[in-house]
Amino acid sequence: DTGVSQDPRHKITKRGQNVTFRCDPISEHNRLYWYRQTLGQGPEFLTYFQNEAQLEKSRLLSDRFSAERPKGSFSTLEIQRTEQGDSAMYLCASSLGQVEKLFFGSGTQLSVL
Amino acid sequence: DQQVKQNSPSLSVQEGRISILNCDYTNSMFDYFLWYKKYPAEGPTFLISISSIKDKNEDGRFTVFLNKSAKHLSLHIVPSQPGDSAVYFCAASAESSGDKLTFGTGTRLAVRP
Repeated sequence: DTGVSQDPRHKITKRGQNVTFRCDPISEHNRLYWYRQTLGQGPEFLTYFQNEAQLEKSRLLSDRFSAERPKGSFSTLEIQRTEQGDSAMYLCASSLGQVEKLFFGSGTQLSVL
Repeated sequence: DQQVKQNSPSLSVQEGRISILNCDYTNSMFDYFLWYKKYPAEGPTFLISISSIKDKNEDGRFTVFLNKSAKHLSLHIVPSQPGDSAVYFCAASAESSGDKLTFGTGTRLAVRP
C-alpha cells in the first residue's frame, strides 16, 4: 500500500493527557498537511510542511499543539493537556505541490473523555 | 467565517437520474476549486477540479460548473449510481496561500436503487 498512512486509527484518552499521532506520507511527496474535522464540518487546515520546514500554522493550532517532520518524511502531531474540545478526526494529507493531487489518509479519530 | 458554503446538508436522488451538488464561496481570491468525496471511516478522495479561468470541466460522469460572478460552483453527476452515495466536499484554494484548501461543510448524497 503506497497511500498515506496514519496511526493510530482511534485514540481514546482522558482530559489532561498528552497524545501523539503519526503520519507517513506517500514516499516521494514533499508536502505534508494536517487537517482536523469535527462532526458536521469539513476538514479545517491546521498546518503544513514543505520537506522538514513547517511553512504555515493555522490560528486553530493553539500552543498545546505541536507538529514535526524531522527528516522530511513522516510527521507527528502532539496535543498536550487534551481538552474535550480536541475530540475530532485528525487527517493527514500529502502532495508533490499540486493542490489537486492532495492525498488524504484515513485519519485518527480522537475522543477525549 | 465560512468562506466555502454548502447549504444543502443532504440530497437524495434516484439511480440513473442527475445529482446536482451546490457550493458558494465568498473569498474572491480563490482561484482553484475542487470536489472531494468521502466514504465513512476513510479520508477524502479527490474527484474533480476547475481553475478559475474555466467555467466547465468534465470527467466521465462528473462535470463541475463555475460561475465566478455569482461565486458559485456545482457538481453534476450523470447518471447517478448507488456507489456514488457518500459525503461530497467542495474545497477552494488561492495561489497566494499555497496549496492550503478551505473546505465546505459537505453534502451527503444518497442514491436510491
